[in-house]
Amino acid sequence: QVQLVQSGAEVKKPGASVKVSCKTSGYTFTGHYIHWVRQAPGQGLEWMGWINPNSGGTNYGGTNSVQNFQGRVTMTRDTSISTVYMELSRLKYDDTAVYFCARGGSGWYQSDYWGQGTLVTVSS
Amino acid sequence: NFMLTQPHSVSESPGKTVTISCTRSSGSIASNYVQWYQQRPGSAPTTVICDDNQRPSGVPDRFSGSIDSSSNSASLAISGLKTEDEADYYCQSYDSSNWVFGGGTKLTVL
Repeated sequence: QVQLVQSGAEVKKPGASVKVSCKTSGYTFTGHYIHWVRQAPGQGLEWMGWINPNSGGTNYGGTNSVQNFQGRVTMTRDTSISTVYMELSRLKYDDTAVYFCARGGSGWYQSDYWGQGTLVTVSS
Repeated sequence: NFMLTQPHSVSESPGKTVTISCTRSSGSIASNYVQWYQQRPGSAPTTVICDDNQRPSGVPDRFSGSIDSSSNSASLAISGLKTEDEADYYCQSYDSSNWVFGGGTKLTVL
C-alpha cells in the first residue's frame, strides 16, 4: 500500500535551517510529483511547492511565496531510497507549523496520499 | 493568480444535507479541476473529491462535488450527515504550475 512517512518533530532557533524527510513506499517513486504543504497552528493549508522525483525539477511557487518562503525553501530527492526532502532556511517564528508531504495523484494538480505531518517549532 | 473563498463555518444536524461553497476570484472555475480535502483534528488531510466531482475509492457516495459557472464556484455536498463528518474541509485548485487552497470551512454536526 502507498505510504508517505515523515521525519519527527523539530525545534529550531530563529535563523537556523530545518530539513524534513518524506519516505515513500508502495508505488513507483518517480511516477508521481510530491508536494509540500504547511499548516500554522489553528490556520489553513498553505501550499509550498512541488518536486518531480523523476527529473528533480522543482517549483517553489504560490500566491504568497515571495513573502513567505520563496528563496528559503529547497526540495530535493534521493531516488535510491525513494525519499523526498524539504529544507527551509533562515527560519522565522511564523514558520512554526506542521509540514505535510503529499503525493500527486493521477495528475500533478491533485493529491491522493499525504504524510502524517511534521511539527516544526521555531523558538529561541 | 486567483483566490478561493470558502465560508468560515457551517453547521447542520445529523441526517441532513450540507453544502460548502468555494468561489474563485478570477478566471473560470471550469478552467481547472477542483479538489476537496477533509481534515479531522490532529490528522492529515484526505481527499474526498477530485477532478470536480470524482470520489476516490473508499469515499462514501454521501459526498458529491459540482461546479457552477454562473456563480464561478465549486460546491461540496454531504448528505445523510454523520457526526464523523465533523471536520475542516478545504477546496483546492491550480493555475499553470501552482496549487491554490481555499481558506477552509469548519463543519459542525450537531
